[in-house]
Amino acid sequence: QVQLKETGPGLVQPTQTLSITCTVSGFSLTSYYMQWVRQTPGKGLEWMGFIRSGGSTEYNSEFKSRLSISRDTSKNQVFLKMNSLKTEDTGVYYCARSDYGYNPFDYWGQGVMVTVSS
Amino acid sequence: DVQMTQSPSYLAASPGESVSISCKASKSISNNLAWYQEKPGKANKLLIHSGSTLQSGTPSRFSGSGSGTDFTLTIRSLEFEDFAVYYCQQYNEYPWTFGGGTKLELK
Repeated sequence: QVQLKETGPGLVQPTQTLSITCTVSGFSLTSYYMQWVRQTPGKGLEWMGFIRSGGSTEYNSEFKSRLSISRDTSKNQVFLKMNSLKTEDTGVYYCARSDYGYNPFDYWGQGVMVTVSS
Repeated sequence: DVQMTQSPSYLAASPGESVSISCKASKSISNNLAWYQEKPGKANKLLIHSGSTLQSGTPSRFSGSGSGTDFTLTIRSLEFEDFAVYYCQQYNEYPWTFGGGTKLELK
């Protein structure tokens, strides 16, 4: 069955870089778009960006300057890296799947909590 | 960006009752609107897409309506498992945006 699971550091210091891995099973990353969404106390749910089935990416301009999404299809993993973290980046980070760009997210991971604090 | 405004933010109801949640877009999004259910410790669940199409596995007591800027999620004959947080999301144009959520609580 389709499963997505995020893993991350839990605690990150301000100005540092956040790295989160989404490990998937039950489908191929070359057949679906993989989305990243976060939920923060200040802004609620925010779409961050996605990586297409073909490997190209699209980012929300809100994060574009400091966000990178990549993948390793051989390991069934998708990666989020975001630099210059601020305390306002504290929240839950989710990966999700969609058929292609203009489609809803049919499966989500349970999310990983990230706290940005010194 | 398309702003998605959900109302109410909180809703208290009893099992067996029917409730409706509104989602308004700041501009037309055609029918590119999804509804999700959020429960603690579980992955978000896609309930409805394309404004009114039930995702496979969604119980028939859920229904969605609307197009353009105004959308509604209705849950008939509430069951205990329906008490959760519900979000709408537009996927008509980048960046995809979400409503602020509606927490459905047990009265």
